[in-house]
Amino acid sequence: NAGVTQTPKFRVLKTGQSMTLLCAQDMNHEYMYWYRQDPGMGLRLIHYSVGEGTTAKGEVPDGYNVSRLKKQNFLLGLESAAPSQTSVYFCASSPNRGPNQPQHFGDGTRLSIL
Amino acid sequence: DQQVKQNSPSLSVQEGRISILNCDYTNSMFDYFLWYKKYPAEGPTFLISISSIKDKNEDGRFTVFLNKSAKHLSLHIVPSQPGDSAVYFCAASEGLNRDDKIIFGKGTRLHILP
Repeated sequence: NAGVTQTPKFRVLKTGQSMTLLCAQDMNHEYMYWYRQDPGMGLRLIHYSVGEGTTAKGEVPDGYNVSRLKKQNFLLGLESAAPSQTSVYFCASSPNRGPNQPQHFGDGTRLSIL
Repeated sequence: DQQVKQNSPSLSVQEGRISILNCDYTNSMFDYFLWYKKYPAEGPTFLISISSIKDKNEDGRFTVFLNKSAKHLSLHIVPSQPGDSAVYFCAASEGLNRDDKIIFGKGTRLHILP
């Protein structure tokens, strides 16, 4: 079982460049999430989706856009990368609504912005 | 302002002994709490959870205790094993009728000593 797959695993960008992080899940989950984790910080929610075609802002949405065109995919875009966006990005999915539906996480994308 | 606080960045425990990880929260609206475990270069994995209507939940070697009046929860691991060495995140949510956002603490790194 692949679960939640994130691509790429590592990326180095220059300030101002754009890129898209891809998250794919094969569990037919409705809910998908993008988090970032910075040193000494917990996971912070960037954007999330409660179903195909829907997206919503999380705790730290500025500088990011997302799309959920297909149920199994959740894309995170950086239009103009900034050094403050250097972080490890985690995608997660859950089958349904509610915190008692534990989230399944990918292994992360380590992104460095120079 | 941190709503979920894990005040111990790290903890070392002898193999076979009890590991106790602590978590405090400030938002009285939180009614569901979770613990996630994370190994290096991997995503977090769900460990155990507890609803605010309970004060204890047990799953094998893992027990979570909730003290609502003190806004405090703890994770007990008995007996501690080498594979328990990881970062543990405490997380909280306002529950099923909210927008499903989960707030994570900064994590506690647990070292199990041989």
